[in-house]
Amino acid sequence: TQLLEQSPQFLSIQEGENLTVYCNSSSVFSSLQWYRQEPGEGPVLLVTVVTGGEVKKLKRLTFQFGDARKDSSLHITAAQTGDTGLYLCAASFRSGTSYGKLTFGQGTILTVHP
Amino acid sequence: EPEVTQTPSHQVTQMGQEVILRCVPISNHLYFYWYRQILGQKVEFLVSFYNNEISEKSEIFDDQFSVERPDGSNFTLKIRSTKLEDSAMYFCASTRVVAGVAFFGQGTRLTVV
Repeated sequence: TQLLEQSPQFLSIQEGENLTVYCNSSSVFSSLQWYRQEPGEGPVLLVTVVTGGEVKKLKRLTFQFGDARKDSSLHITAAQTGDTGLYLCAASFRSGTSYGKLTFGQGTILTVHP
Repeated sequence: EPEVTQTPSHQVTQMGQEVILRCVPISNHLYFYWYRQILGQKVEFLVSFYNNEISEKSEIFDDQFSVERPDGSNFTLKIRSTKLEDSAMYFCASTRVVAGVAFFGQGTRLTVV
């Protein structure tokens, strides 16, 4: 069973600060997706990374995929109150019998205070 | 923008009753999934479905669960005899290709009383 460790579980910061969320596994990912989830709603895709060492930017959000494809990070620059929410990483792992199921991390609850 | 839609948004049922959760995946997607999220816990994979059959299922997906694609658009999850511990948010997802980008529905909140 592949596990995905996401940290930190909770993050409480002031507006304008930077933050980083981490996602790690002992197994190699085929791909990794970052989602944001609002209370009572489904996960909404932010980005997907597939190539080791890949960096993707989405406005103030920077996503990195580790060279060994076992870790990823989400960095938010100058956080705003609108960034408050639950951030999830989800990975599909290399497996001959896998049909694309995603394994999710525990999630990071981000609170940005004005 | 195409989206995955789920109905109902909230279902309350008595223990032992059967429930059917419905999903309409994105129209050109070929791979379909059900996940669940118990309150305060991580999102868990239940089952994947391709070419009109189950391709993979988790330990959670026991004989009480079944999935079906009765027509060209709907994808359903049936729980035959609900238990209290089945209370959770159930999410449907679809992808165009295997291990492709997964798009999720808004979820159905199932409450078993």
